[in-house]
Amino acid sequence: NAGVTQTPKFRILKIGQSMTLQCTQDMNHNYMYWYRQDPGMGLKLIYYSVGAGITDKGEVPNGYNVSRSTTEDFPLRLELAAPSQTSVYFCASRLYGGTGSYNEQFFGPGTRLTVL
Amino acid sequence: TQLLEQSPQFLSIQEGENLTVYCNSSSVFSSLQWYRQEPGEGPVLLVTVVTGGEVKKLKRLTFQFGDARKDSSLHITAAQPGDTGLYLCAVAGGTSYGKLTFGQGTILTVHP
Repeated sequence: NAGVTQTPKFRILKIGQSMTLQCTQDMNHNYMYWYRQDPGMGLKLIYYSVGAGITDKGEVPNGYNVSRSTTEDFPLRLELAAPSQTSVYFCASRLYGGTGSYNEQFFGPGTRLTVL
Repeated sequence: TQLLEQSPQFLSIQEGENLTVYCNSSSVFSSLQWYRQEPGEGPVLLVTVVTGGEVKKLKRLTFQFGDARKDSSLHITAAQPGDTGLYLCAVAGGTSYGKLTFGQGTILTVHP
C-alpha cells in the first residue's frame, strides 16, 4: 500500500491564480481530511469528508473548495490564491471504527505552497 | 485562544538527557493523541490515551493522561538524535468524525 499520496510536493502561485492539490489514499478509508500547517503552529482543519459525495467545512474553510467523487480521491481547490494561503497542506485519511473509536489518522507527505 | 497549549515551544538538549513536554487545556477530553512529525513529512501517530490517569510506554517514551482528562505529558528518557522532530498533541471533536484539533507543537532537537 502506498498509503496517502499528495501531489505536487511544491508549488509557487501568483496572487489570483487557482490550483488543485491532489490527494489519494489506497487504504479504503471512508474519512478524509485536509489540514494546513503554518510555521510555528499546529495543523488546522480546512475541510473533511465522511464518504464519497459528503463533505463539510472545518475550522478554516474560506478560500478553499473540495469534492469527493470516489472513496480514494479528495482534491482541494484553491480559487484566487492569496498570500495568506502560503502554507504546508496535509491530507489525511481514517477508517471509521464506530462511535467513540480512536482510529489513527494517516497523513500524506504534504504540499508546500507559496503564493507571491 | 488555543484549545490545547503545548510547552515548551522549543527544546534543545544533548543526547542522553531526559525531557518532558506538556499539553494543557481547560476542557475535558474523551481521548488525546500524540503525533510526531519529521521535517518534510506528515505527522505519525505515537499513542492514544483514553482513561484519566492512564500511563502508556513506547520504548523510551512515556505518555500520561491527567486524572481529570484535561492535560497530558510526554516524557522521553535518555533522548537520542533520532528523537528530533515536532511533537504534537491532538484531540478529536465530540463526534465520531475524528476531526482533530492540534496544539501548536514542541520542536525538539537532540544534539549528538
